[in-house]
Amino acid sequence: NAGVTQTPKFRVLKTGQSMTLLCAQDMNHEYMYWYRQDPGMGLRLIHYSVGEGTTAKGEVPDGYNVSRLKKQNFLLGLESAAPSQTSVYFCASSYRAGLQETQYFGPGTRLLVL
Amino acid sequence: DAKTTQPTSMDCAEGRAANLPCNHSTISGNEYVYWYRQIHSQGPQYIIHGLKNNETNEMASLIITEDRKSSTLILPHATLRDTAVYYCIVRVKSPSGGSYIPTFGRGTSLIVHP
Repeated sequence: NAGVTQTPKFRVLKTGQSMTLLCAQDMNHEYMYWYRQDPGMGLRLIHYSVGEGTTAKGEVPDGYNVSRLKKQNFLLGLESAAPSQTSVYFCASSYRAGLQETQYFGPGTRLLVL
Repeated sequence: DAKTTQPTSMDCAEGRAANLPCNHSTISGNEYVYWYRQIHSQGPQYIIHGLKNNETNEMASLIITEDRKSSTLILPHATLRDTAVYYCIVRVKSPSGGSYIPTFGRGTSLIVHP
């Protein structure tokens, strides 16, 4: 049981390049989230998904797209990377039991955009 | 929207109790309070959660005031390995999608010293 995994762990991009970050979970969770964390800041929600085939915008969605074609995977895409997208990206998955929701986080992807 | 307020930083002597406060005065009546911690730059890790009653597990205790406007996370015997950023989380309704989603603030940086 690997929990939540993220690929890649670290990446350097040039401005304008594109890339996709992969989040995978093996816990059969319905809900998945993408956050970004900048130095000294908390986690800010980019996009989230409440189930396979559904996505919604979070607090800071601009410049990112997501897809949830399979329940276990949540992809985060950067179509044209900008230096402002240099950050650490965390994925989380969760299940809900009534109003209770416990999130499980991946180890993060560190992205540097030059 | 329910949001949380936490002190930016705290310190504690090893072996002593660490008491981390959180204000969530606008929390919805049925929403839970969750606590996570983030060690160094790892993904956040679940600690404990509660609704109205005090809760205890192998990691910590959670004291929630009767009016539910604030709570305190207690690490009874802090160790150096408890040095981390601690987040108090409540869910708020997403402007898009309508789902309730966990919202992170900046958390409290706890330093445990020898």
